[in-house]
Amino acid sequence: AIWMTQSPSLVSASTGDTVTISCRSSQDIITSLAWYRQKPGRAPELLISAASTLFSGVSSRFSGSGSGTDFTLTISGLQSEDFATYFCQQYYSFPWTFGQGTTVDIK
Amino acid sequence: QVQLLQSAAEVKKPGASVKVSCKASGYNFRDRAISWVRQAPGQGLEWMGWLSAYNGGTSYAQNFQDRVNFTRDISTSTAYMELRSLSIDDTAVYYCARGSYFDTWGQGTPVTVSS
Repeated sequence: AIWMTQSPSLVSASTGDTVTISCRSSQDIITSLAWYRQKPGRAPELLISAASTLFSGVSSRFSGSGSGTDFTLTISGLQSEDFATYFCQQYYSFPWTFGQGTTVDIK
Repeated sequence: QVQLLQSAAEVKKPGASVKVSCKASGYNFRDRAISWVRQAPGQGLEWMGWLSAYNGGTSYAQNFQDRVNFTRDISTSTAYMELRSLSIDDTAVYYCARGSYFDTWGQGTPVTVSS
């Protein structure tokens, strides 16, 4: 199985800040990577697929980059609804796997 | 709009089985696969496996391979996940999700396993 490792596990930030979250895969997954945001008590929501393609309706303050084994999610100008947990997921090969999550909380 | 609607919360005893449904609407059900993902309390996301809505083919994560079964009913655009031999550690919210990257999620079905 492909292991997905996110860092950091927790980041404290303020509204308006820019936050960067890293996701590393244990094998080359080309660009078969998605990012999700999960608010407390809710199902996850897709933000980005194919490492850098913004999902329809998602704010342009979210951006993704990377290929191979190293990927980044950047949130520019944090809004109140962005204080949540973020997960990366590889869909390059079965079993599909998630990172352990990164929580963005209020500083 | 595209929607996945899951069945209601369940409470089960250890050793029992649970069957969760996921009814799709707003798209051609056979066009997209369905995955099942679970989340234990305070934990991350765990992919359980994949169901081809087109032909019923499946791929299960190794952790669940011996005691999970995915099926679908084309006539009602509904996918099902059955998990057998439940233990306390299976207490979680179970989600269905569409596609390979998951663009649509069900609302989640809480399953509590308690004696």
